[in-house]
Amino acid sequence: GAVVSQHPSWVICKSGTSVKIECRSLDFQATTMFWYRQFPKQSLMLMATSNEGSKATYEQGVEKDKFLINHASLTLSTLTVTSAHPEDSSFYICSAYDRGTEAFFGQGTRLTVV
Amino acid sequence: AQSVTQLDSQVPVFEEAPVELRCNYSSSVSVYLFWYVQYPNQGLQLLLKYLSGSTLVESINGFEAEFNKSQTSFHLRKPSVHISDTAEYFCAVSRYSSASKIIFGSGTRLSIRP
Repeated sequence: GAVVSQHPSWVICKSGTSVKIECRSLDFQATTMFWYRQFPKQSLMLMATSNEGSKATYEQGVEKDKFLINHASLTLSTLTVTSAHPEDSSFYICSAYDRGTEAFFGQGTRLTVV
Repeated sequence: AQSVTQLDSQVPVFEEAPVELRCNYSSSVSVYLFWYVQYPNQGLQLLLKYLSGSTLVESINGFEAEFNKSQTSFHLRKPSVHISDTAEYFCAVSRYSSASKIIFGSGTRLSIRP
């Protein structure tokens, strides 16, 4: 099947700094990608829909200025957590569709803010 | 909007016993339905999906789920579980169109006792 790759797999940063997470579709083009966050022992919560060449669509309650999404090409979307704080520590997962009906998920990025 | 309810947060069963993980959904439009599995500290893997056609869908490792439109359910079953089935299972739904966002249930932790 299609492969979606996230980088880095894990990252530790200091409070107040910004962190960028990359999501790449390795063998297909994705005009739309999705970003989720997952707190320990909880479900995946959709944060935003990333659209190539246009602004991302954020879910209610997600701060767009806090979580910057850029989908500059058909194979890359980035999520930047700005001015990170300990409460932003979470597991971030992206997904993308290959030909319509099956979404492929990245392996996730574990962010720890200290 | 779509929503998913997984009634059981944890299901402990003995090895080789049958198991059913319950899932109900709500939607005003037609939907696709999915079960994903997540092993500890890993991303998501698609277990099985219902798009259309036969209401009974099967996975390669012995799981099956049945789409019941009248009861708006998509319960996951396996007649005999193995230790290796220990994981978190997420039921999910998306709109009946290509590249739609996926909404996840809260998850069910399946723990297998020897």
